[in-house]
Amino acid sequence: NAGVTQTPKFRILKIGQSMTLQCAQDMNHNYMYWYRQDPGMGLKLIYYSVGAGITDKGEVPNGYNVSRSTTEDFPLRLELAAPSQTSVYFCASSLGPGTGFGAQHFGDGTRLSIL
Amino acid sequence: AQSVTQPDIHITVSEGASLELRCNYSYGATPYLFWYVQSPGQGLQLLLKYFSGDTLVQGIKGFEAEFKRSQSSFNLRKPSVHWSDAAEYFCAVALTYGGSQGNLIFGKGTKLSVKP
Repeated sequence: NAGVTQTPKFRILKIGQSMTLQCAQDMNHNYMYWYRQDPGMGLKLIYYSVGAGITDKGEVPNGYNVSRSTTEDFPLRLELAAPSQTSVYFCASSLGPGTGFGAQHFGDGTRLSIL
Repeated sequence: AQSVTQPDIHITVSEGASLELRCNYSYGATPYLFWYVQSPGQGLQLLLKYFSGDTLVQGIKGFEAEFKRSQSSFNLRKPSVHWSDAAEYFCAVALTYGGSQGNLIFGKGTKLSVKP
């Protein structure tokens, strides 16, 4: 029972490089989310998706892009890495409206450093 | 605008002592409220949630929370803390309208340390 799987767990990038953070869930959840967590700041929503082919911006989308071609996968792309994107990134999924409302399942995170 | 405030950044309690973590919210509609816990190096795990009805809700790991509309609060409690409860705790409110429904607004978290 894997739940939400994020890869890689750690990564160091140079300024200007690009990379994709992978997220996959095996719970058949329609809703998926990307957050960043900075010390003392809680979690900020970057992008979210309510189903395959549907994505929307969250609170802090600048510098990131997403796609959702399948229900299972929701990759996050950084095109031109900047030091301000040093953070811990979490992917989450949920059933969406109904009994699962607000009950998000989180991956273990990707720790990203931009140097 | 909707927001969640956790006034305490860091709390230390002795093992076996009682615990209360504070959470205040600002939301125009009926709030859907949550507490999540994050152990070091891991993602967040849902402890409990409040949608409606009984204002005292029970969660996992012996935690409970009480919704008080008059005080815009949703404080988390545990009668007797165990060393394994040391973690960071996040309060959140869910948006309930439009295309953003289900999105969570998180507080900044309270780090709990437990003394032997």
